[in-house]
Amino acid sequence: QVQLVESGGGVVQPGKSLRLSCAASGFTFSDYAMHWVRQAPGKGLEWVAIILYDGSKKYYVDSVRGRFTISRDNFRNTLYLQMYSLRAEDTAVYYCTRGVGSTHHVFDIWGQGTMVTVSS
Amino acid sequence: DIQMTQSPSSLSASVGDRVTITCRASQGISNYVAWYQQKPGRIPNLLIYAASTLQSGAPSRFSGSGSGTDFTLTISSLQPEDVATYYCQKYNSAPWTFGQGTKVEIK
Repeated sequence: QVQLVESGGGVVQPGKSLRLSCAASGFTFSDYAMHWVRQAPGKGLEWVAIILYDGSKKYYVDSVRGRFTISRDNFRNTLYLQMYSLRAEDTAVYYCTRGVGSTHHVFDIWGQGTMVTVSS
Repeated sequence: DIQMTQSPSSLSASVGDRVTITCRASQGISNYVAWYQQKPGRIPNLLIYAASTLQSGAPSRFSGSGSGTDFTLTISSLQPEDVATYYCQKYNSAPWTFGQGTKVEIK
């Protein structure tokens, strides 16, 4: 079945780095834009980043631009989020989601999420 | 960036009640609004897109309307399984901003 499985979360000190992965299955990964969305404990949803189906374009929310890098490997059907210079306010569950639609994407498939805790 | 403001932030209603949640965009976004439902402890789930199109599998008691800057999500007859937080989202262009959420509870 269509599935997204995130991994790579954990506890990390402020200023350190972490890389999240999202393994896709059950659909043609290379046909879809992919997004990362995060949710701080007890808070709402915050869109983080998008990468187009072929990796040609990437966009980020202002709060992570320059610190986070989204990438994908269409041969391994895997989405990544490389996070640098982590801050306490980056603490959240990170979801990968599939963007459906040609240029205007809604998120029809969500992973279960991976928790990132930034703390000393 | 365009902001999405939901109201109310929470509500409590009885089973069978009609419930309406409002979402206002700070600029016109045509009909590029989606609504997501997040039940307690669960991942978000797409309910409605293009402001009024029901996602496959979503119950027909959910409906959406609006265009431009003002949008609504309506639950025609609230059920116990509808207890959740509901989020609107703009998707006309980056950033894909969410509203702050509306928590729906049963009275």
